[in-house]
Amino acid sequence: EIVLTQSPATLYFSPGERATLSCRASQDIRHYLAWYQHRRGQPPRLLIFDTSNRAPGIPARFSGSGSGTDFTLTISNLEPDDSADYYCQHRLRWPLTFGGGTKVEIE
Amino acid sequence: EVQVLESGGGLAQPGGSLRLSCAVSGFTLSDYAGFNDYAMTWVRQAPGKGLEWVATVGRRDESSNYADSVKGRFTISRDSSKKMIYLQMTTLRVEDTARYFCAKSSSSNNVHPDMDVWGHGTTVTVSS
Repeated sequence: EIVLTQSPATLYFSPGERATLSCRASQDIRHYLAWYQHRRGQPPRLLIFDTSNRAPGIPARFSGSGSGTDFTLTISNLEPDDSADYYCQHRLRWPLTFGGGTKVEIE
Repeated sequence: EVQVLESGGGLAQPGGSLRLSCAVSGFTLSDYAGFNDYAMTWVRQAPGKGLEWVATVGRRDESSNYADSVKGRFTISRDSSKKMIYLQMTTLRVEDTARYFCAKSSSSNNVHPDMDVWGHGTTVTVSS
């Protein structure tokens, strides 16, 4: 099983700042990584697929990068609505796994 | 716009069974790919925990895959005529307590999916 480690567990920001979230895979997953935003009481929302491709309707403030084992989600110009849990997920092979999540709080 | 709607959650006793349903709608005749062209997945979130992949049913006649935590106890299936996805859960355990989400693969080309359309989920509580 591929383990995805997200760090840190919680991040605190002010509006307008930039957030950098990390996801590290226990083995090479090439570019097969997605990022999701999950607000309380809402369905998870696909932000980025295959490392760096924004899903339809996702603002350009969200960007993804990386390859192999180290991946980053960057959120620029943070807005209060960006407060949420963020998860990475690989799709290299079965079983699919998610990272443990990073909580982003905008104060 | 494709939408999914889960149902069937509730309270079950340890060792009991439940069947979750997921209705998929919004595919049109003009869509390049239809219901049968996308893998469909169940993901769960236990109280206070993160997202956990549970099972995926493949496109058309492709096989299904399961997390080790549910293998042998849960069965995922699809009914193309009704555009429904099911998760039959048996021998339930307290640790199966979670909100269960149904989700559609983002691409008809993906055997191993990421998911672009999610429902709001249905809650399963396993308790005596």
